[in-house]
Amino acid sequence: DIQMTQSPSSVSASVGDRVTITCRASQDISNWLAWYQQKPGRAPQLLIYTASAFQGAVPSRFSGSGSGTDFTLTISSLQPEDFATYYCQQADSFPYTFGQGTKLQI
Amino acid sequence: EVHLLESGGGLIQPGGSLRLSCAASGFSFSSNAMSWVRQAPGKGLEWVSSIGGSGSAFVTYYADSVKGRFTISRDNSKNTLYIQMSGLTVEDTALYYCTKQTGYSSGYFDYWGQGALVTVSS
Repeated sequence: DIQMTQSPSSVSASVGDRVTITCRASQDISNWLAWYQQKPGRAPQLLIYTASAFQGAVPSRFSGSGSGTDFTLTISSLQPEDFATYYCQQADSFPYTFGQGTKLQI
Repeated sequence: EVHLLESGGGLIQPGGSLRLSCAASGFSFSSNAMSWVRQAPGKGLEWVSSIGGSGSAFVTYYADSVKGRFTISRDNSKNTLYIQMSGLTVEDTALYYCTKQTGYSSGYFDYWGQGALVTVSS
């Protein structure tokens, strides 16, 4: 199975800050990577797929990059609604696996 | 607009069985792969099972943790996804999300239901 490791597990930041979350795969997954945002009590939402493509009306302050084994999610200027937990997920092969999550808090 | 509505969750004793349903609307159900993803209380996301869309002959996949105990299926005439769960253990306690994937075999989950809570306890 492909292991997905996110860092950090949690991060404290302020409105307007730039934040980067990293995700490392245990083997090459090309660009088969997604990022999800989950707010408390809500279902996750797909933000980015194929490492850098936006899903729907995702704000431009979000960006994704990387390929192979190392990936990043960057939020360029945090907004109050961005405080949530973020998960990466590999879609290269079964079993699909998620990172452990990064909690972004004030 | 895409809607996914799970039902069938509840409290079940260890060793018991339960079937979750997911009523889908707003998209071409038979064409899309569908999955179940679960989240134990206070924990992260765990993929459980997938079933392909019409372009992949509805092939099924399972996480090792549920293989042999859970069965995913779909009724395209009813636009409904199911998961039959048996031999339940306390480790299966979780919120079970029905998810739509972005194509007939894509591994990205672009829509999620609100979840069905399964609690396994004596």
